[in-house]
Amino acid sequence: NAGVTQTPKFRVLKTGQSMTLLCAQDMNHEYMYWYRQDPGMGLRLIHYSVGEGTTAKGEVPDGYNVSRLKKQNFLLGLESAAPSQTSVYFCASSLSRKNQPQHFGDGTRLSIL
Amino acid sequence: AQSVTQLGSHVSVSEGALVLLRCNYSSSVPPYLFWYVQYPNQGLQLLLKYTTGATLVKGINGFEAEFKKSETSFHLTKPSAHMSDAAEYFCAVISGTYKYIFGTGTRLKVLA
Repeated sequence: NAGVTQTPKFRVLKTGQSMTLLCAQDMNHEYMYWYRQDPGMGLRLIHYSVGEGTTAKGEVPDGYNVSRLKKQNFLLGLESAAPSQTSVYFCASSLSRKNQPQHFGDGTRLSIL
Repeated sequence: AQSVTQLGSHVSVSEGALVLLRCNYSSSVPPYLFWYVQYPNQGLQLLLKYTTGATLVKGINGFEAEFKKSETSFHLTKPSAHMSDAAEYFCAVISGTYKYIFGTGTRLKVLA
């Protein structure tokens, strides 16, 4: 029972490079989220999706793009990486009913040099 | 708008002592509240949740939390700390239907 799987687990990029983080869930959840976690700041929502083919901006969307072409996958893209995007990125998913908890992946640790 | 405040970014307790992690929320509607735990190099795991009904909520690993509307609080407690409880703990509230607002976290250290 995999739950939420994030790929890759670690990555080092140079400033200006691009990359895509993949999130896959096998729980048939409608909602999916991307967060970044920085020391002392908790989790901040980057983008989210309430269903296949739909995405929306969260609290800190600048410099990121997302796509949800399939219900089980949610991709986070960095078009031109900047050192300020060094962070730990978490994907989460949940059912569409209110008050449902989120299920998290183990994170992607990204360093931008 | 909903918000969450966790008092104390770091808490240290002795093994066997009471654990108390504080969470206060702000919400204009009846809140749905959660506590999550994060172990090193892992994602967040649900400890417990409050939606409606009983105000004392029991979770995994012996943790519980009490919803107090008059104090707008949802503090997390455990009667006796274990070394394995060392982790970071996050309080969260749902904003709207599907947005979650997380606190900044409390790192719990358990002393032998």
